[in-house]
Amino acid sequence: DQQVKQNSPSLSVQEGRISILNCDYTNSMFDYFLWYKKYPAEGPTFLISISSIKDKNEDGRFTVFLNKSAKHLSLHIVPSQPGDSAVYFCAALNQAGTALIFGKGTTLSVSS
Amino acid sequence: NAGVTQTPKFQVLKTGQSMTLQCAQDMNHNSMYWYRQDPGMGLRLIYYSASEGTTDKGEVPNGYNVSRLNKREFSLRLESAAPSQTSVYFCASTAVSYEQYFGPGTRLTVT
Repeated sequence: DQQVKQNSPSLSVQEGRISILNCDYTNSMFDYFLWYKKYPAEGPTFLISISSIKDKNEDGRFTVFLNKSAKHLSLHIVPSQPGDSAVYFCAALNQAGTALIFGKGTTLSVSS
Repeated sequence: NAGVTQTPKFQVLKTGQSMTLQCAQDMNHNSMYWYRQDPGMGLRLIYYSASEGTTDKGEVPNGYNVSRLNKREFSLRLESAAPSQTSVYFCASTAVSYEQYFGPGTRLTVT
């Protein structure tokens, strides 16, 4: 049973607009979440993270929001750029703190 | 500083053959991981090693073995490859359990 869900396999956005990628989780004990970005033929790279003691974390054009009551997080990219086109994975740190549980990913396409 | 390196980049095996995927990191990280990525399935953890000398099963360990040779190296072995093991394999390392650093991947095809 999937513990981290990314229900949108793909998202298309125009350059300059906002991209919003969504992620849901089932285990209320998860307390640390991360977003990774992956280009074709490369390994995933860490993008941004958030602890459950916060509801927002910002790093340049990237902001992650966490809604603990809804067990939902989202990644906002503003403004979107063509170089942001990639697969984005949401991940949660497991309860033991020993490993990450990944969602299936969302492919973002930003057109110019 | 190369980060996480993986060899080989590509491999084709016949069913029943064995092979070892190599991974090394030069960041002095304690923890290392092996994942597989399949279309529509995301990244699934095969095995991990929290520290030198320890290994633990992840979500999909069947058909695989691992060795944490030293702090730098963590290898993944397929003893008898099956077509279901066709995948892209990623190694990762971290100083803590989050913000993992990934290698470039090994694309394995089993015919």
